[in-house]
Amino acid sequence: NAGVTQTPKFQVLKTGQSMTLQCAQDMNHEYMSWYRQDPGMGLRLIHYSVGAGITDQGEVPNGYNVSRSTTEDFPLRLLSAAPSQTSVYFCASSKGLAGVTDTQYFGPGTRLTVL
Amino acid sequence: TQLLEQSPQFLSIQEGENLTVYCNSSSVFSSLQWYRQEPGEGPVLLVTVVTGGEVKKLKRLTFQFGDARKDSSLHITAAQPGDTGLYLCAVNLRGKSGGSNYKLTFGKGTLLTVNP
Repeated sequence: NAGVTQTPKFQVLKTGQSMTLQCAQDMNHEYMSWYRQDPGMGLRLIHYSVGAGITDQGEVPNGYNVSRSTTEDFPLRLLSAAPSQTSVYFCASSKGLAGVTDTQYFGPGTRLTVL
Repeated sequence: TQLLEQSPQFLSIQEGENLTVYCNSSSVFSSLQWYRQEPGEGPVLLVTVVTGGEVKKLKRLTFQFGDARKDSSLHITAAQPGDTGLYLCAVNLRGKSGGSNYKLTFGKGTLLTVNP
C-alpha cells in the first residue's frame, strides 16, 4: 500500500490563481481530511469527508472547496489564491472516527507559497 | 482560546537526558492522541489514551492520561537524536460536544531537539 499520497509536493502561485491539491489513499478509508499547518498555529482542519459524496467544513474553510466523488480521492481546490493561504497542507485518512477508534494517517504534505 | 495547551513550546536537550512534555485543557475528553512529526513529513500517531489515569509505554516513551481526562503527559527516557521532532497532542471534539462531529483538534505542539 502507498498509504496517503499528495501531489504536488511544492507549488508556487501568484495571487488570484487557482489550483487543486490532490490527495489519494489506497486503504479504503471512509474518512478523509485536509489540514493546514502554519508556524505557531499548529494543524488546523480545513474540510473533511465522512464518505463519498459527503463533506463538511472544519475550522478554517474559507477560500477552499472540496468534493469527494470516490472513496480514494479527496482534492482541495483554491479558487483564488491569496498570500494568507501560504502554508503546508496535509491530507489525512482513517477507517473510522480518528481519535476515538482508528488511526489517522497523514500524507507527506504540499508546501504552497502564494506570492 | 486554545483548546489544547502544550508546553513547553520548544525544548532543546542533550542526548541521554530525560524530558516531559505536557498537553493541558480545561475540557474533558473521551480520548487523546499523541503524534510525532519529523521535519518535512506528516504527523505519525504514537498512541491513543482513553481511560483516566491510563499509562502506556512505547519503548522509551511513557504516555499518561490524567485522572480527570483533561490533560496528558509524554515522558521520554534517555532521549536520542532520533527523538527530534514536533510532538502534537490531539483530541476528537466528538467527545466534547457529542453528536456525530468528527473534528480532530491539535495543540500547537512541542518542538523537541535532541543534540548528540
